[in-house]
Amino acid sequence: GENVEQHPSTLSVQEGDSAVIKCTYSDSASNYFPWYKQELGKGPQLIIDIRSNVGEKKDQRIAVTLNKTAKHFSLHITETQPEDSAVYFCAASRSGAAGNKLTFGGGTRVLVKP
Amino acid sequence: DAGVIQSPRHEVTEMGQEVTLRCKPISGHDYLFWYRQTMMRGLELLIYFNNNVPIDDSGMPEDRFSAKMPNASFSTLKIQPSEPRDSAVYFCASSAVVDIQYFGAGTRLSVL
Repeated sequence: GENVEQHPSTLSVQEGDSAVIKCTYSDSASNYFPWYKQELGKGPQLIIDIRSNVGEKKDQRIAVTLNKTAKHFSLHITETQPEDSAVYFCAASRSGAAGNKLTFGGGTRVLVKP
Repeated sequence: DAGVIQSPRHEVTEMGQEVTLRCKPISGHDYLFWYRQTMMRGLELLIYFNNNVPIDDSGMPEDRFSAKMPNASFSTLKIQPSEPRDSAVYFCASSAVVDIQYFGAGTRLSVL
């Protein structure tokens, strides 16, 4: 089955700096890669996603890049703010008729220091 | 929409007792997922339904775990009998289309 590795497990940045989280996946048939943000006491919330026919996607201060050949994808947060402090999860799945089981990475705890 | 609603938010029980977790998906969503989150194992998919039918239950850890979806607006995850190692946060998620899943706030289960 799919295996998703996520690094780093913790990340501390100064407010205003950038944060980068990296994930690798094992199943070359995976074609959908979402990122979720989980705040304390809440469920994960989708913040951005990318499909395998796209190399990069941006939404305001966050961006994702995908390298299908190397089977890795990354989340970039620019101009970090204290409200960006949370746990971030990457995930991968094969979408379509086979179902949409998401396999999650282990999570990255991001702390933005004011 | 109110989003995915889970109840209870917290559950404390004693080993051997039956535990039932409840989930109301977003109206119109035809996929429903149950996950378990622990520090050791992260987020694990337990089972998911499509149009109320279980599609994949390969993540259900043991026969002590069972899940049902009697209609499009309600699902339960039952643990009988419960054990201390079942202590975790259990999430329900739903989706209208393949891939984009919306999570509930979770049920924190403590089995003493």
